[in-house]
Amino acid sequence: EDQVTQSPEALRLQEGESSSLNCSYTVSGLRGLFWYRQDPGKGPEFLFTLYSAGEEKEKERLKATLTKKESFLHITAPKPEDSATYLCAVDYGGSQGNLIFGKGTKLSVKP
Amino acid sequence: EPEVTQTPSHQVTQMGQEVILRCVPISNHLYFYWYRQILGQKVEFLVSFYNNEISEKSEIFDDQFSVERPDGSNFTLKIRSTKLEDSAMYFCASSERAGVTYNEQFFGPGTRLTVL
Repeated sequence: EDQVTQSPEALRLQEGESSSLNCSYTVSGLRGLFWYRQDPGKGPEFLFTLYSAGEEKEKERLKATLTKKESFLHITAPKPEDSATYLCAVDYGGSQGNLIFGKGTKLSVKP
Repeated sequence: EPEVTQTPSHQVTQMGQEVILRCVPISNHLYFYWYRQILGQKVEFLVSFYNNEISEKSEIFDDQFSVERPDGSNFTLKIRSTKLEDSAMYFCASSERAGVTYNEQFFGPGTRLTVL
């Protein structure tokens, strides 16, 4: 069965304390891996797409990387406004690219 | 910046009643999706839709569910006879491409459905 596992479930950081979130996947025929940010009671907000091992994408304090088995979302010098749940999703290659989501990592950044 | 919109933001209904959740996808997108998220759980795929047909559906999407594109802008999810376990956030998403790379899906803000 295709699986997407995110760790840790929750992460508490001090402002400025860099860290990484992990997303491991066991899907055959990966066509793309997506990172989303979700604020409480809101819809997932698109951050990055990664398609091939070795690929990296950056946006402000966030950097996403991809290997053949996992992806990392690195957060450099986070600020309180980075607090959110970060979701990883994979397109496993179905006809229309439906996404399988992980449970997410809830990030809290304290000032 | 174009975005997916959904109405209503919150729907409360009695068990057994029919509900229709509405979505307006991004205007140049051709591929549409519904997902749901039960409180505290992960986002789950329900159905994908293209060219006025269902492309794929999950096991959750049983005969009580249906989707429709009634006009050129709206995309709807109907639940015929709601159950308590249908209570969840329902997200609509759309993408410009599908089945290929560079097929980012953009999500709406969601409709919170509460079944009493």
